[in-house]
Amino acid sequence: DAGVIQSPRHEVTEMGQEVTLRCKPISGHNSLFWYRQTMMRGLELLIYFNNNVPIDDSGMPEDRFSAKMPNASFSTLKIQPSEPRDSAVYFCASSLESISGTSGNTIYFGEGSWLTVV
Amino acid sequence: AQSVTQLGSHVSVSEGALVLLRCNYSSSVPPYLFWYVQYPNQGLQLLLKYTTGATLVKGINGFEAEFKKSETSFHLTKPSAHMSDAAEYFCAVSHSGTYKYIFGTGTRLKVLA
Repeated sequence: DAGVIQSPRHEVTEMGQEVTLRCKPISGHNSLFWYRQTMMRGLELLIYFNNNVPIDDSGMPEDRFSAKMPNASFSTLKIQPSEPRDSAVYFCASSLESISGTSGNTIYFGEGSWLTVV
Repeated sequence: AQSVTQLGSHVSVSEGALVLLRCNYSSSVPPYLFWYVQYPNQGLQLLLKYTTGATLVKGINGFEAEFKKSETSFHLTKPSAHMSDAAEYFCAVSHSGTYKYIFGTGTRLKVLA
């Protein structure tokens, strides 16, 4: 079975440019997470979707970040305009959860999108 | 509030030696506990998890962990380290009624020949 698929794997962009990261969750999963990983802050949850609805976006750092999930098989994370401090690895993850919360189900991570903003 | 503490950001062991990676958690409700491994330039992969039942949990690649409620710990062990075990290991906690998984800061394991 295909895992969580992210694209692009690597992106180098100039400050001020728009960046769009894409994610295809595992088929049948109803929950999707976007995480950011940096050396300084570790793994941070940016946003959580359940059944395509954003449930918690409190981790989104600022208005320059936005995320959408138009259907069960696709999500995007957009940064506009990008800044050097946005350089990080962005992970998408998916799982099968109820709206009331987890039952200890495993969350599956994609291989990440490695973003460098210069 | 939940939290996870991983003692030691870097651990070095000799090939064939015991691997012990420490994880302590804080949770006011029964926790679900996870260990993930991240190899260079890859995503996180589940090693093992504890939800309910037997407190000694066996995972992939010969790893196991024991849930000790009295010590609020979930340490990861492997009897004999292999070079291929070199990676970063993350402990995580969650619980029923929340979608949030709290990750520790990670422990980078180095295996010496």
